[in-house]
Amino acid sequence: EADIYQTPRYLVIGTGKKITLECSQTMGHDKMYWYQQDPGMELHLIHYSYGVNSTEKGDLSSESTVSRIRTEHFPLTLESARPSHTSQYLCASSWPGREGPSYNEQFFGPGTRLTVL
Amino acid sequence: GNSVTQMEGPVTLSEEAFLTINCTYTATGYPSLFWYVQYPGEGLQLLLKATKADDKGSNKGFEATYRKETTSFHLEKGSVQVSDSAVYFCAPRFLSQGGKLIFGQGTELSVKP
Repeated sequence: EADIYQTPRYLVIGTGKKITLECSQTMGHDKMYWYQQDPGMELHLIHYSYGVNSTEKGDLSSESTVSRIRTEHFPLTLESARPSHTSQYLCASSWPGREGPSYNEQFFGPGTRLTVL
Repeated sequence: GNSVTQMEGPVTLSEEAFLTINCTYTATGYPSLFWYVQYPGEGLQLLLKATKADDKGSNKGFEATYRKETTSFHLEKGSVQVSDSAVYFCAPRFLSQGGKLIFGQGTELSVKP
């Protein structure tokens, strides 16, 4: 059973608000990821991190920012939310090792469904 | 470049029908291959995986074989159940892209009783 948590599960806010989506994992994974899932279900990687103080942009450009001050915590922030940010946001983490049954596997949180009015 | 193409949905089947969801990839190397499943209102879960050619991944009655010659990783199940209704994602992992997963567009499966 994966131990990766996201809060809130659902969020409805007005345009211009600053929001932070929380993601935490208790598995000690070094690698963490944020995906944006559009209504057509396709997933797009928007941010990832290989460890503390490491953050990289993903394949899809995003106005959000992330930080990685602690191994277990990878929050995503939108400084000024817009309706175009309405989407489902999925956080994931993975083990950096090259061997073992969990090699390469990404564990996903339940997601945050964001609606910006 | 590296990419993945997945069979479009939605797919609607009757209970106990045979399921195939096609997945093909283009790659300069040999990726590891994964199938993830997303049940309604939940995040993604790993369904099965294969890390080298001719490997067969299996779980919960689902199977997929890593076919290097056709660059495919088709998902199959002999007899689907209503509880299999979900969205299925094929996801190669390319070392040349930092080891990140590249997700297919997802195939929605609906199984009717």
